[in-house]
Amino acid sequence: AQSVTQLDSQVPVFEEAPVELRCNYSSSVSVYLFWYVQYPNQGLQLLLKYLSGSTLVKGINGFEAEFNKSQTSFHLRKPSVHISDTAEYFCAVSEVTGGGNKLTFGTGTQLKVEL
Amino acid sequence: EAQVTQNPRYLITVTGKKLTVTCSQNMNHEYMSWYRQDPGLGLRQIYYSMNVEVTDKGDVPEGYKVSRKEKRNFPLILESPSPNQTSLYFCASSLTAEGANVLTFGAGSRLTVL
Repeated sequence: AQSVTQLDSQVPVFEEAPVELRCNYSSSVSVYLFWYVQYPNQGLQLLLKYLSGSTLVKGINGFEAEFNKSQTSFHLRKPSVHISDTAEYFCAVSEVTGGGNKLTFGTGTQLKVEL
Repeated sequence: EAQVTQNPRYLITVTGKKLTVTCSQNMNHEYMSWYRQDPGLGLRQIYYSMNVEVTDKGDVPEGYKVSRKEKRNFPLILESPSPNQTSLYFCASSLTAEGANVLTFGAGSRLTVL
């Protein structure tokens, strides 16, 4: 069974500063990796995904993430955050050979951007 | 507009009073799923459906039922709600059950059981 760890439950950062949200996963098979964002009072929407190929993936709103197989990590980064990036961010994995689109989520990281 | 629609968005009920949260998608997706979101626990899968008349348990199915009689609808039924089912519920769908497919989420249904 797969699992996802997001060690930081909250990350405060000033506007225009860089940010990294950490995600580590555990799985005995190959995985697909996702970052979803949840703005206040909304559902989740996809930021970016890693399926195969280049380990650096770019998503919407200037976010990017790097898949590191040896460290089983998929950290999310943005070089300069904006107030509108304040939201909760979820890392998620699904197994390549799994059925039922079993997406396992981390516990989420609340990003709070301050002026 | 392609979307997943959940109703009601907010509901307060009492212990034991049966309720149904509806979910409908207009994207002709085969796969649908229900999650609950609780503080500090992230999202946990309740039930999923790989196609019409095919449903299966997720990680936390106790106290819930689902049905998939039509491709577009996937209602979540709480036969006898209890306070530990107070949560934020999300319905999601994807084209197929294959793991690479991106899930489209509804806006959520906040349920309080007194």
